[in-house]
Amino acid sequence: NAGVTQTPKFQVLKTGQSMTLQCAQDMNHNSMYWYRQDPGMGLRLIYYSASEGTTDKGEVPNGYNVSRLNKREFSLRLESAAPSQTSVYFCASSEDFGGSGDTQYFGPGTRLTVL
Amino acid sequence: GESVGLHLPTLSVQEGDNSIINCAYSNSASDYFIWYKQESGKGPQFIIDIRSNMDKRQGQRVTVLLNKTVKHLSLQIAATQPGDSAVYFCAEASGYSTLTFGKGTMLLVSP
Repeated sequence: NAGVTQTPKFQVLKTGQSMTLQCAQDMNHNSMYWYRQDPGMGLRLIYYSASEGTTDKGEVPNGYNVSRLNKREFSLRLESAAPSQTSVYFCASSEDFGGSGDTQYFGPGTRLTVL
Repeated sequence: GESVGLHLPTLSVQEGDNSIINCAYSNSASDYFIWYKQESGKGPQFIIDIRSNMDKRQGQRVTVLLNKTVKHLSLQIAATQPGDSAVYFCAEASGYSTLTFGKGTMLLVSP
């Protein structure tokens, strides 16, 4: 079991460029999440997918879009990258959404720099 | 590694000491709590969880205590080792909402 995998590990973009961060989990989890982590800010939820076929905004969704491609895969897209989106991005998955089913397991992260 | 720990509260201990990391949570409706460990350059790693119908749970070298009266959670690490150096943060959830994460505490263990 690989758990949660993310690609790429590192990325440098210029302002205005677009890119998609990929995430996959092999634990047969229903729920998946995208977070960003900035120094001193903790983990902030960007978007989540409580179950296959649904997506919802989290705390900081502006500038991002997501696609729940199937049960395993959940991608995050930056349409026009801005320096404020320089961050470390984590994908996570959990068996279910909310309560004790919500033990989230995290991927290794993508370190994104926007120049 | 990243500066995830920038401006975080820091606990410095000697190897072999017991460490206690505290967390205050805000939502009285929260019924599930988790502690995560994050090493530099890595994703958060699940350590231990506890449900609100319990006040203590033990794992390997770790114990989580829950005081619902004052909305306080603590993580105790026995015989702390240099490999325990990391940022630790708590998270809370309720039956209808996903995890809310605290900002974390950096644990530094000196040999």
